[in-house]
Amino acid sequence: NAGVTQTPKFQVLKTGQSMTLQCAQDMNHEYMSWYRQDPGMGLRLIHYSVGAGITDQGEVPNGYNVSRSTTEDFPLRLLSAAPSQTSVYFCASSYHGPDQPQHFGDGTRLSIL
Amino acid sequence: TQLLEQSPQFLSIQEGENLTVYCNSSSVFSSLQWYRQEPGEGPVLLVTVVTGGEVKKLKRLTFQFGDARKDSSLHITAAQPGDTGLYLCAGGTTDSWGKLQFGAGTQVVVTP
Repeated sequence: NAGVTQTPKFQVLKTGQSMTLQCAQDMNHEYMSWYRQDPGMGLRLIHYSVGAGITDQGEVPNGYNVSRSTTEDFPLRLLSAAPSQTSVYFCASSYHGPDQPQHFGDGTRLSIL
Repeated sequence: TQLLEQSPQFLSIQEGENLTVYCNSSSVFSSLQWYRQEPGEGPVLLVTVVTGGEVKKLKRLTFQFGDARKDSSLHITAAQPGDTGLYLCAGGTTDSWGKLQFGAGTQVVVTP
């Protein structure tokens, strides 16, 4: 099993550019989520989804959009990148919700110049 | 502000020593999870505690959930260099279902 796959692994953007971080899981998990990890701040929840067609905001949703058209995929979009969005982004999934073991991808390291 | 406060932020010990990491909150959690993260990788689940007062053991690691389900601790006995990593606690509250919130983490370094 591939588990949770994130692409790309590294990306450098200029301020104002847009991009989509991809996340795919092959475990038929209903719950998926996006986090950003910054030094000294742990993981902060950006958006989450409890199933296809359903998304909701986490702690730090501003500047990010998500959609969940299929169970497998949960892309994260930056519409107009800002230097404050420089971070490491992790996607996670679990069978039904946050109380169950989360399976994480290996992260996308994003730098905004 | 972090919903979950972890302490200490950093811990450096010698191989064979014991250590304890704490995770505290003013909120009640339906469950609490502990993860370990190594450089360049995503966090990996170690354990989930659900019942107040619960104690779980995973080899040399002992996890405890507070009676009031507001705090938790991770104790490592006779630490080994392979225990080096970032330890994260995470929990969800019943009034914010869907949101799993993480502490800032404790960086543990075990030197031979």
